Amino acid sequence: GAVVSQHPSRVICKSGTSVKIECRSLDFQATTMFWYRQFPKQSLMLMATSNEGSKATYEQGVEKDKFLINHASLTLSTLTVTSAHPEDSSFYICSVLSGQIYEQYFGPGTRLTVT
Amino acid sequence: GENVEQHPSTLSVQEGDSAVIKCTYSDSASNYFPWYKQELGKRPQLIIDIRSNVGEKKDQRIAVTLNKTAKHFSLHITETQPEDSAVYFCAARGAAGNKLTFGGGTRVLVKP
Repeated sequence: GAVVSQHPSRVICKSGTSVKIECRSLDFQATTMFWYRQFPKQSLMLMATSNEGSKATYEQGVEKDKFLINHASLTLSTLTVTSAHPEDSSFYICSVLSGQIYEQYFGPGTRLTVT
Repeated sequence: GENVEQHPSTLSVQEGDSAVIKCTYSDSASNYFPWYKQELGKRPQLIIDIRSNVGEKKDQRIAVTLNKTAKHFSLHITETQPEDSAVYFCAARGAAGNKLTFGGGTRVLVKP
């Protein structure tokens, strides 16, 4: 499977500040990456699809101006949570497509806590 | 869009017994069904998957079955071990695009 890294693994920020999370595909070039959010004891909810060289596609209900996604290269996608609030505290996970049948492989996740 | 229902939400089994998790999906055009295992605080890990042109797939102690007519698929874990304790998610991918829709998850506890 694909090797995916995320940075940072944990971040604590104050309400009103912005936080950037990086997702890297380490062993192949990913034209498509996905960003998910997972609240405690809940399932994975797709936030957006990140496409290299073009604008991200956001799921219904996800504010594109609050969750900025940039996929500037084939190995890096970033998610910036702007003006973070306590309700944005969550586990953010990226994934990449790999393999002949486009399996999804996940990064290790970033736990965001907004105080 | 696609909707995936997963049951049960929690499952407790004795070590050595089998565990079965069932999922149903709504989009008859869905063609790919992966299963993920997620341990606490960790990433979801792909453990097995099945495509719509296959009815069953097995990998050691885990197997997945697919019934396209009824639009449901199941994960079977045999000879369960304590390290099988985790949350398991099913997912379905529609014919258009590569997005996965996840089920709500099943928390499996294997008691020694």
